Amino acid sequence: ETGVTQTPRHLVMGMTNKKSLKCEQHLGHNAMYWYKQSAKKPLELMFVYNFKEQTENNSVPSRFSPECPNSSHLFLHLHTLQPEDSALYLCASSQALLAGNYEQYFGPGTRLTVT
Amino acid sequence: AQSVTQLGSHVSVSEGALVLLRCNYSSSVPPYLFWYVQYPNQGLQLLLKYTSAATLVKGINGFEAEFKKSETSFHLTKPSAHMSDAAEYFCAAPDTGKLIFGQGTTLQVKP
Repeated sequence: ETGVTQTPRHLVMGMTNKKSLKCEQHLGHNAMYWYKQSAKKPLELMFVYNFKEQTENNSVPSRFSPECPNSSHLFLHLHTLQPEDSALYLCASSQALLAGNYEQYFGPGTRLTVT
Repeated sequence: AQSVTQLGSHVSVSEGALVLLRCNYSSSVPPYLFWYVQYPNQGLQLLLKYTSAATLVKGINGFEAEFKKSETSFHLTKPSAHMSDAAEYFCAAPDTGKLIFGQGTTLQVKP
């Protein structure tokens, strides 16, 4: 595997389900990001991790719970979601924050549908 | 704080015509500027990056962008559009350890 991978690519879940999105980067990076991309809305940064530590949480509802066990893996745990949470969830990675290179590499995304 | 504005949420050109996608950043000069492209149902792919080494930056697929400090702009161009260029394009600038993205511009290429 190369670059940034995300699984699953598609997910349909009911409002009472619990599911997790997985992201893995094979680039030796130390910063990882979750973004939400809804139709006709700008890209929304959700969470940022730098060396496994969360450095940013953009007022994301608690029904979204991120986890970063190491610099290569990032999870987004989902529970009791709402229909408006249906979106494309993108994971990205970059060199460590403040290392001077802000170039981010994106995964293909997980298309989430909440029914 | 940095902000990025893309003028025109939707641009339509004919195949073979010039592509011009506009991007303006806020007043503070960023050390980097980026253009990303997103094809349907895919993630964002880096198209090109400005690093202050040169004001004219060449990217993949024949795209290039010019940094103009006086206009706080970083517009993306391609001399001749191809059908495969149809996608959404995002301009981005760094701000305290993260990227600030513009709203995106959808490029439609008509045959």
